[in-house]
Amino acid sequence: DQQVKQNSPSLSVQEGRISILNCDYTNSMFDYFLWYKKYPAEGPTFLISISSIKDKNEDGRFTVFLNKSAKHLSLHIVPSQPGDSAVYFCAASDAGGTSYGKLTFGQGTILTVHP
Amino acid sequence: ETGVTQTPRHLVMGMTNKKSLKCEQHLGHNAMYWYKQSAKKPLELMFVYSLEERVENNSVPSRFSPECPNSSHLFLHLHTLQPEDSALYLCASSREWGTGELFFGEGSRLTVL
Repeated sequence: DQQVKQNSPSLSVQEGRISILNCDYTNSMFDYFLWYKKYPAEGPTFLISISSIKDKNEDGRFTVFLNKSAKHLSLHIVPSQPGDSAVYFCAASDAGGTSYGKLTFGQGTILTVHP
Repeated sequence: ETGVTQTPRHLVMGMTNKKSLKCEQHLGHNAMYWYKQSAKKPLELMFVYSLEERVENNSVPSRFSPECPNSSHLFLHLHTLQPEDSALYLCASSREWGTGELFFGEGSRLTVL
């Protein structure tokens, strides 16, 4: 049973437009969420996070939105740039529970930004 | 450059071989992790070490044996693997066990023939 799902395996966007990557989760105990970005032949790198006490967190061109009632989070990239082309992983943790520090990852979404 | 270095980057081994993957972090972190990424599957946590003590073993078969001799080094010893163990093995570290921000190495691509 996959507790974190990224239902879109891929997304293609024109440069300058908005990229929206989605993630759904089933475990209501999750209270900390992260996005990681991965280029080919490199390990994932941390991008942005959000705690369940917030519904939005912004860092430059990247904004993460959390809808706890829908168990849904999304990553918005505005404006999208060709260098943003990568695999994006959503991850979740129940920081206060027994699996403290154990991140559950989604399958990833391949983002391609066309010039 | 994330401060986490993995060697080798690529490894091909037969099912009867014994090999090891190595991870070194230069970040002064206290927690280190092994993750497995198979094709079209999410990253799966295998092991967690905090202050050199194993704190998580995520039902991993015994043919995978981790070792953490100090807080900067982590090994994954491989013995009599199966072809389905072919995957990308990622090492990561974090300041403490439980802080969500993991710093990953580039991974070791393992192929078992």
